[in-house]
Amino acid sequence: AQSVTQLDSQVPVFEEAPVELRCNYSSSVSVYLFWYVQYPNQGLQLLLKYLSGSTLVKSINGFEAEFNKSQTSFHLRKPSVHISDTAEYFCAVSGAGGSYIPTFGRGTSLIVHP
Amino acid sequence: EPEVTQTPSHQVTQMGQEVILRCVPISNHLYFYWYRQILGQKVEFLVSFYNNEISEKSEIFDDQFSVERPDGSNFTLKIRSTKLEDSAMYFCASRKDRGRETQYFGPGTRLLVL
Repeated sequence: AQSVTQLDSQVPVFEEAPVELRCNYSSSVSVYLFWYVQYPNQGLQLLLKYLSGSTLVKSINGFEAEFNKSQTSFHLRKPSVHISDTAEYFCAVSGAGGSYIPTFGRGTSLIVHP
Repeated sequence: EPEVTQTPSHQVTQMGQEVILRCVPISNHLYFYWYRQILGQKVEFLVSFYNNEISEKSEIFDDQFSVERPDGSNFTLKIRSTKLEDSAMYFCASRKDRGRETQYFGPGTRLLVL
């Protein structure tokens, strides 16, 4: 079984500032890692994922996350946020292989102020 | 780009009533899922469905819940006798095939039980 811890329930930040949303996981098997974003009144959208290979993965809108196996982390970063990045961000982990059912963290609310 | 759709977007019901939440997965996907998110809490797995049968279910998915794929396109979640604690956002998701790890989520149905 896997578990995910998102250490921050809320992260306020000013526009154009950098941000890091933290995610740690635990698992007894190899994992796949995901970040999902939920904009207000919308569903979950896949932001980026780590399956294998390069430990640094990037999204099309400037976010990136790095898989750190020794620290069991998959923190999400963006060097300069926009107002439109205001959303709930969920880290998720699934076992590599098998049913691919992700276990979600509690989410981090990113609030970008002008 | 194909997407998962869900209806209705919002539903209000009285305690004890039956509700059916509907989902149309992406057309060439073979694996289907239901999740729920109680307000302010994490997204929780309910059930997965493949080849016209349940493949996995969580302890949340008790006898009050059932799923069905009544035709080639719809995937439904039925709650037979709703309780106050069933109030949540319910997400449907689908995945293409065995070798694909990414689930695609619908926008959700917000269920309120009074």
